[in-house]
Amino acid sequence: NAGVTQTPKFQVLKTGQSMTLQCAQDMNHEYMSWYRQDPGMGLRLIHYSVGAGITDQGEVPNGYNVSRSTTEDFPLRLLSAAPSQTSVYFCASSSGLAAYEQYFGPGTRLTVT
Amino acid sequence: AQRVTQPEKLLSVFKGAPVELKCNYSYSGSPELFWYVQYSRQRLQLLLRHISRESIKGFTADLNKGETSFHLKKPFAQEEDSAMYYCALSGWETSGSRLTFGEGTQLTVNP
Repeated sequence: NAGVTQTPKFQVLKTGQSMTLQCAQDMNHEYMSWYRQDPGMGLRLIHYSVGAGITDQGEVPNGYNVSRSTTEDFPLRLLSAAPSQTSVYFCASSSGLAAYEQYFGPGTRLTVT
Repeated sequence: AQRVTQPEKLLSVFKGAPVELKCNYSYSGSPELFWYVQYSRQRLQLLLRHISRESIKGFTADLNKGETSFHLKKPFAQEEDSAMYYCALSGWETSGSRLTFGEGTQLTVNP
């Protein structure tokens, strides 16, 4: 199993640009989530999903959209990038419908200039 | 609301010394607590969970509900323990289940 994969690994955007961060898992996990990691702030939940067609907001959802059309994929869309969105983004998944033990992807380092 | 606090951003010890990484939580229900670790250039991974009461890589953590703490301990630190450690709580909010992380503690074990 590849586990949780994320693309791209690195991305530089200009303010106002939009883009999609890709996340996929091959473990047939129901629960998937997106976090951003910022120094001194730990990991903060952006959005999560408990299954295909079901998504909900986390702690810091503003400026981001998600969709879950399949069990495997959970893309994160930045609608209009801002410098405050410069961060490392992690996708994670876990079996069942609860945020229990989560498996993390390698992360995407995003810089917005 | 659920909250996790790690009071130390940085912790530095010498090899062979005991180490304790502090974690306090706030949650009205019965929590599920975890420690995650991120080694340099590696992805975040689960270190241990309170429910299994296991020792991983010499680390242990005991849930103290009275003090709402879940400190991570190791009696003899090794250089390979140098990493970022996150305490996390899995709980249920009105909107559903979520994992809440603390701010993280960067542990450095010096030779």
